[in-house]
Amino acid sequence: IQMTQSPSSLSAFVGDRVTITCRASQGIRSHLNWYQQKPGKAPNLLISAASSLQSGVPSRFSGSGSETEFTLIISSLQPEDFATYYCQQSYSTPRTFGQGTKVEIK
Amino acid sequence: QVQLVQSGAEVKKPGASVKVSCEASGYTFNSFGISWVRQAPGQGLEWMGWISAYSDNKNPAQKFQGRVSMTADTSTRTAYMELRSLTSDDTAIYYCARDIQGRGNFDYWGQGSLVTVS
Repeated sequence: IQMTQSPSSLSAFVGDRVTITCRASQGIRSHLNWYQQKPGKAPNLLISAASSLQSGVPSRFSGSGSETEFTLIISSLQPEDFATYYCQQSYSTPRTFGQGTKVEIK
Repeated sequence: QVQLVQSGAEVKKPGASVKVSCEASGYTFNSFGISWVRQAPGQGLEWMGWISAYSDNKNPAQKFQGRVSMTADTSTRTAYMELRSLTSDDTAIYYCARDIQGRGNFDYWGQGSLVTVS
C-alpha cells in the first residue's frame, strides 16, 4: 500500500494552524498512525488508529479520516513542533510510511 | 519506563553482514513484538519486518526475505536483526520499535544504530 503525504514541506509561524494530508493507495479503514521525528532522534508515535492521541501528546494535535484520506492537524503550532511528520499504515504488511512532511519555521 | 537500547554504530565492507541488537526494559518483553525500521541518510522510513517475543512468529518484508534474520532472546530481553550481503544502499540508521502483537503501531523506539557500508 502506497502512502502519499502532502505537502512535502511547509513553512509556518508559531501559532498557525497546520494541516498535513496523507492518502493511501487503497482503503485501510482507520489503520493509520502519525509520527513526529526531530533531527537526530527516533520517530515518536503521536496518533494511532487515525485519531487516538497517545498519552502525553499535547491536545493541539489531532487526527481524522478513514479508508484513503487522513489528516493531521496542529491547531496552534509551537516552537517544539518544528519537525518532520510521517503517516504509516498498519492495515497490512509490509507496513509503509508516507515520504514525510517537514514543518519549518517561517 | 519503557526503554529500547540499541548497539552502537558499525562500519562494514560491501558483501559483509551486520547484526544489530535491541535490549528492552521497563515492560514484559515476551508480551510484545519488535519491528525493525530503517532510514537512509536524509530519507524516509522503511519497515523491514517484525518478530514476536512470545512465539515463533516473524514477518520479514518481502524486500528483505532471504537476506535478513530476526531473533528474540527472552532470557536477555534482547532482539536482534542481522542483515547479510550488504551494499552501499544498506547504509542507514536501523531502529527497533515495540510493536504490540505485530499490529504495526510502533509506540516505543530505540535510539537507532548507524550502519555504514563502505
